[in-house]
Amino acid sequence: EIVLTQSPDFQSVTPKEKVTITCRASQSIGSSLHWYQQKPDQSPKLLIKYASQSFSGVPARFSGSGSGTDFTLTINSLEAEDAATYYCHQSSSLPRTFGGGTKVEIK
Amino acid sequence: QVQLVQSGAEVKKPGASVKVSCKASGYTFTSYDINWVRQATGQGLEWMGWMNPNSGNTGYAQKFQGRVTMTRNTSISTAYMELSSLRSEDTAVYYCARAGYCSLSSCPEVDYWGQGTLVTVSS
Repeated sequence: EIVLTQSPDFQSVTPKEKVTITCRASQSIGSSLHWYQQKPDQSPKLLIKYASQSFSGVPARFSGSGSGTDFTLTINSLEAEDAATYYCHQSSSLPRTFGGGTKVEIK
Repeated sequence: QVQLVQSGAEVKKPGASVKVSCKASGYTFTSYDINWVRQATGQGLEWMGWMNPNSGNTGYAQKFQGRVTMTRNTSISTAYMELSSLRSEDTAVYYCARAGYCSLSSCPEVDYWGQGTLVTVSS
């Protein structure tokens, strides 16, 4: 099973600041890494697929990069509505696995 | 638009079974896999398994083998997840989620999720 390790676990950020979240895979997964946003009492929403491809309708301030074992989600110019928990997810091999999540709080 | 609408909250006693439904609309039900993912309160996401609605083929995470069954009724575009021998640790929100078919080398992203179904296991 591929283990995904996210960091940090928690981040408190002021609006307009840049946020960077990392996800490290226990073995190479190519670009089969996807990012989700989950707000309280809501289901997860896809932001980025295959490491760097934006999903339909996602604001341009969200971007992703990386390949192999190291990946990054960047939120440029954070907005209040971006307060949420962010998860990475690998689909390179079954079982599908998720990172532990990064909670982003707005100061 | 793609929608996955799940059945309502359930309360079950330890040892019982629960069956959650997931009705798909806005796309061809048999053209995408349905995955099931659960989330305990305040915890992360845990993948349970997948089902191909066209063939009925399934694949389950080892943790749930022998306790979970995923089925479908293509005439009403609905997928089902049944979990048996429930224990308190199974208390969680259960999500269905759509994904494209896996290839021999990898699987695509999960793109759309249902709203979730809270299953509470308590005596």
